[in-house]
Amino acid sequence: GQQLNQSPQSMFIQEGEDVSMNCTSSSIFNTWLWYKQEPGEGPVLLIALYKAGELTSNGRLTAQFGITRKDSFLNISASIPSDVGIYFCAGQRSGNTPLVFGKGTRLSVIA
Amino acid sequence: DAGVTQSPTHLIKTRGQQVTLRCSPISGHKSVSWYQQVLGQGPQFIFQYYEKEERGRGNFPDRFSARQFPNYSSELNVNALLLGDSALYLCASSGGTGADTQYFGPGTRLTVL
Repeated sequence: GQQLNQSPQSMFIQEGEDVSMNCTSSSIFNTWLWYKQEPGEGPVLLIALYKAGELTSNGRLTAQFGITRKDSFLNISASIPSDVGIYFCAGQRSGNTPLVFGKGTRLSVIA
Repeated sequence: DAGVTQSPTHLIKTRGQQVTLRCSPISGHKSVSWYQQVLGQGPQFIFQYYEKEERGRGNFPDRFSARQFPNYSSELNVNALLLGDSALYLCASSGGTGADTQYFGPGTRLTVL
């Protein structure tokens, strides 16, 4: 099945550093979402974006919906150990259509 | 309020067997979607149900089937299990109308031996 192109695949960073990851698609999505998944758990919604160009924050997390509607970015500022996990982007064509996911970015934070 | 619940948490089956996974959506949500997540990949869409009707189906064989009950809970059935069916099966619930956000349950880890 289709998957979005998500990069980087994995990151090892020092505590306190900022993190950036992105997601691209060959087709347009009208909603972009970012989820975090920890071992043995389901994905937890972090940020939802509904409008091209939108920039939304949730605490230390900031995400942007690309103007072309084919990409999205997630930034995490001042990383802490509990940020460890796999971050997934997901695109949705309209409100009731299935989510299309990226392969995830695995984040490791070194204290 | 309780989130999305799934049962069982873990399951071990052998090839050729059949399995039923269960999901209860968030109270008030009428839509349930099922996703398969194999190790190292993002979730892949299997089915979506709204008001007991199938609204969408992903690229999965007919061995996969699902249904939604009047209380909006759902079951996913997989027949004639193959080794490749080993995965985390995720259920997501949403209101079902408009710009709905999908909220995921903890998943059922299926291992096929």
